[in-house]
Amino acid sequence: GAVVSQHPSRVICKSGTSVKIECRSLDFQATTMFWYRQFPKQSLMLMATSNEGSKATYEQGVEKDKFLINHASLTLSTLTVTSAHPEDSSFYICSARLAGHTVETQYFGPGTRLLVL
Amino acid sequence: GQNIDQPTEMTATEGAIVQINCTYQTSGFNGLFWYQQHAGEAPTFLSYNVLDGLEEKGRFSSFLSRSKGYSYLLLKELQMKDSASYLCAARTDSWGKLQFGAGTQVVVTP
Repeated sequence: GAVVSQHPSRVICKSGTSVKIECRSLDFQATTMFWYRQFPKQSLMLMATSNEGSKATYEQGVEKDKFLINHASLTLSTLTVTSAHPEDSSFYICSARLAGHTVETQYFGPGTRLLVL
Repeated sequence: GQNIDQPTEMTATEGAIVQINCTYQTSGFNGLFWYQQHAGEAPTFLSYNVLDGLEEKGRFSSFLSRSKGYSYLLLKELQMKDSASYLCAARTDSWGKLQFGAGTQVVVTP
């Protein structure tokens, strides 16, 4: 299947700092990427939809000024957690949508585990 | 509102068959995905149904009934490596937004 990468895979930071997570589709162009957050033993919760060249659409309850999303190209979207706090510690996963005439699926990146101290 | 329900956990023995049911009520619907997720890893794509009926792919099959808001994932000839969480997700808009269920933890025993 198609490959989506995320970097970094794991990050530990101090409270108050900002962390940038990159999501790349390696072998296909993704006009739409999605950012999810997953707390332990819970399912994925969609944070925002990222469309190339336009502003991201955030889900209810997700602060757009805290979680900055940039989708600068068809293969790269970034999520920046600004002024991170311990409650932001979570597993952040991106997905990229592969769409075509007969194909519709989303491929997930390997995830980024964020720990804020 | 949006609601996607699936059982929390299911246990089955190696070689057996397990069926994971998923019911959904969403404001928009454009298809139903099933993903497998091992602990600490990202989900991997298993199947996508947009039309009613059964889609078979090797040991895994997925069924959809749009009129009933119902889907199931059938896992045949269970193997130990199939122990994982299985996520049901409804695509709720044309952009591909997914609403996930809480996941069903499948435990395969020898």
